[in-house]
Amino acid sequence: AQTIHQWPVAEIKAVGSPLSLGCTIKGKSSPNLYWYWQATGGTLQQLFYSITVGQVESVVQLNLSASRPKDDQFILSTEKLLLSHSGFYLCAWSLGTGTYEQYFGPGTRLTVL
Amino acid sequence: GEKVEQHESTLSVREGDSAVINCTYTDTASSYFPWYKQEAGKGLHFVIDIRSNVDRKQSQRLIVLLDKKAKRFSLHITATQPEDSAIYFCAASAGGGYKVVFGSGTRLLVSP
Repeated sequence: AQTIHQWPVAEIKAVGSPLSLGCTIKGKSSPNLYWYWQATGGTLQQLFYSITVGQVESVVQLNLSASRPKDDQFILSTEKLLLSHSGFYLCAWSLGTGTYEQYFGPGTRLTVL
Repeated sequence: GEKVEQHESTLSVREGDSAVINCTYTDTASSYFPWYKQEAGKGLHFVIDIRSNVDRKQSQRLIVLLDKKAKRFSLHITATQPEDSAIYFCAASAGGGYKVVFGSGTRLLVSP
C-alpha cells in the first residue's frame, strides 16, 4: 500500500527565516507529485507539480521553490519567509498515466510570525 | 487561466436528505472534474470525479453531473449521514490532470 508522509507536522518560524518542508511517498514508483497551499479557512492553491525526478513545474509565484531530488521525495523551500506564507501546506501524488485522482498527505501547518 | 467558482459556502441538511453542491468553471479546455472532502485540520480525500466524455457518474450515494454547455458541474449526496459533514472542494483540470484549480469549498453540515 502507498503511504505519503509530510514533515514537519507543524512549524512556527520568524519572518525572514528559511523554510524547508518535505514529502515522501512510499510504495509507488514514479508518481506525479504536487504541492498545494491552503490559507486558513481558504481554498487550495496549487504551487508546483513534478512528473519526474529533477523536473518541477511552477504553477504560481509565491516566493517559494520546489525540488524533487529523488523519485519518492518532494521538497518545498524558501530562503526568506513572508507573513503571507502562513497556512497549511499539502503534498499529493497521482499515478503516472491514465488516472488523475490525487492522494493527499496529512499536511504541514506553518505559522510565520 | 481557469477559474472555478463554488456557489455554496455553507450547506445545512438533515440526516437522510440530499445535498447538492454546485460549481462553475471558465476554461472550455477543462476535461477532468474531481471532488475532494476535507475534515477539520486534515488533508483532502478523493470523493468522486467525472470526465468530459460523460455527463453523469454515480458511486454509491454520490452522483456527479456535468453540463459542458453551461460549464457547470455538481455533486449530489443522497441519503446524507452525519459523517458526510466536512468541507467539499470541487476542482477542474485541463490536459493530463497536472494543473488543478480548486473551488473555494462548501462546508456541509448534516444534522441528526
